[in-house]
Amino acid sequence: AQSVTQLGSHVSVSEGALVLLRCNYSSSVPPYLFWYVQYPNQGLQLLLKYTSAATLVKGINGFEAEFKKSETSFHLTKPSAHMSDAAEYFCAVRTDSGGGADGLTFGKGTHLIIQP
Amino acid sequence: EPEVTQTPSHQVTQMGQEVILRCVPISNHLYFYWYRQILGQKVEFLVSFYNNEISEKSEIFDDQFSVERPDGSNFTLKIRSTKLEDSAMYFCASSENRHNEQFFGPGTRLTVL
Repeated sequence: AQSVTQLGSHVSVSEGALVLLRCNYSSSVPPYLFWYVQYPNQGLQLLLKYTSAATLVKGINGFEAEFKKSETSFHLTKPSAHMSDAAEYFCAVRTDSGGGADGLTFGKGTHLIIQP
Repeated sequence: EPEVTQTPSHQVTQMGQEVILRCVPISNHLYFYWYRQILGQKVEFLVSFYNNEISEKSEIFDDQFSVERPDGSNFTLKIRSTKLEDSAMYFCASSENRHNEQFFGPGTRLTVL
């Protein structure tokens, strides 16, 4: 069974500073990895996904993530934080079981706080 | 831009009552999902649906839950006899195929009193 660990339930950075949100996964087979963002009172919006192509994945709003198999990590970064980035961020994994539709396994989420 | 829609946005019910949560997935999508998020906790997978049958379900999806695609557009989650612990945000999602990303709806907040 797969699992996702997000280190840090809350991360606070200054506006303009680097954003780093950590995600480690466990999976017995090559995973598909995703980062979703949830703004207050809204649903989940896909930021980016890794599906076994390039290990460095670029997403929306200037975010990117790097898949590191040796570290079983898929950390999310953004060079310069903006106030509008304040939200809850979820890392998720889906493994290709070879069957039908597979659900996503989510981490507990990281609340990103941007300090002015 | 096409989006997943869910109704109602908020449902309040008495313990023991049946509720039906409704979702309209994106029109050309073939895979459908329900997730729930208890307040302050992580998003949890409930069930996936493809080709008019359940494809995968989690331990949470017990006999009190059922899903249905009653027509060509709606995808519903029924909770037969609600319990206090069913209070949560329920998200519907859909994807074009099993390898593509899942698009989430805005959620239905279910409150069981």
